[in-house]
Amino acid sequence: EVQLVESGGGLVQPGGSLRLSCAASGLRFGSYWMNWVRQAPGKGLEWVAKINQDESEIYYADSVRGRFTISRDNAKKSLFLQMSSLRAEDTAVYYCAGSGVPYGSDMWGLGTVVTVSS
Amino acid sequence: ESLLTQSPGTLSLSPGERATLSCRPRQTISSTTIAWYQHKAGQAPRLLIYGASTRATGTPDRFSGSGSGTDFTLTISRLEPEDSAVYYCQQNDASFGPGTKLEI
Repeated sequence: EVQLVESGGGLVQPGGSLRLSCAASGLRFGSYWMNWVRQAPGKGLEWVAKINQDESEIYYADSVRGRFTISRDNAKKSLFLQMSSLRAEDTAVYYCAGSGVPYGSDMWGLGTVVTVSS
Repeated sequence: ESLLTQSPGTLSLSPGERATLSCRPRQTISSTTIAWYQHKAGQAPRLLIYGASTRATGTPDRFSGSGSGTDFTLTISRLEPEDSAVYYCQQNDASFGPGTKLEI
């Protein structure tokens, strides 16, 4: 069974930093593009960042470029999101998602909550 | 601002009816890059359709996708109460539309 489990969320002050992790099991992690997607309270889904299998291709949403860094460790079957200069508008549930089909994420975790507030 | 628009914003229908959800990219795109997701509160999003019309594993055949260019559609036939959710289209495994809330 495929499992993606996010961790690392919590309460952080504006301007602070946080590192999210996503542990994968039940899949050949190193074979897939991976994504971070978030949902702010009362809002829709927002794609945040994606990374290819060997980290040679990385893309970010305009809203996080320059502040967030996506990375992965295929040996440890883990995906990461380093978030810095956090703002109130970064408050959201952050989901880890894997792309097992072309241009679609068919594997999702249950999310981790990030709250940016003083 | 999203690269995709979705309509209607909210759709209220009865069990057994058919739902037609629209997704319109701002410019012509390849149909291979369009996906549809179902998202229920408190759950992970679920991929329904990719490549505009290919059902993901486990997607019932009541769900079908179609379209090309700047006009894509998700059709849900024989609606069931469990279909109540927000439905999102996505382009290029990146930008999401604003979503359509479906109430059964």
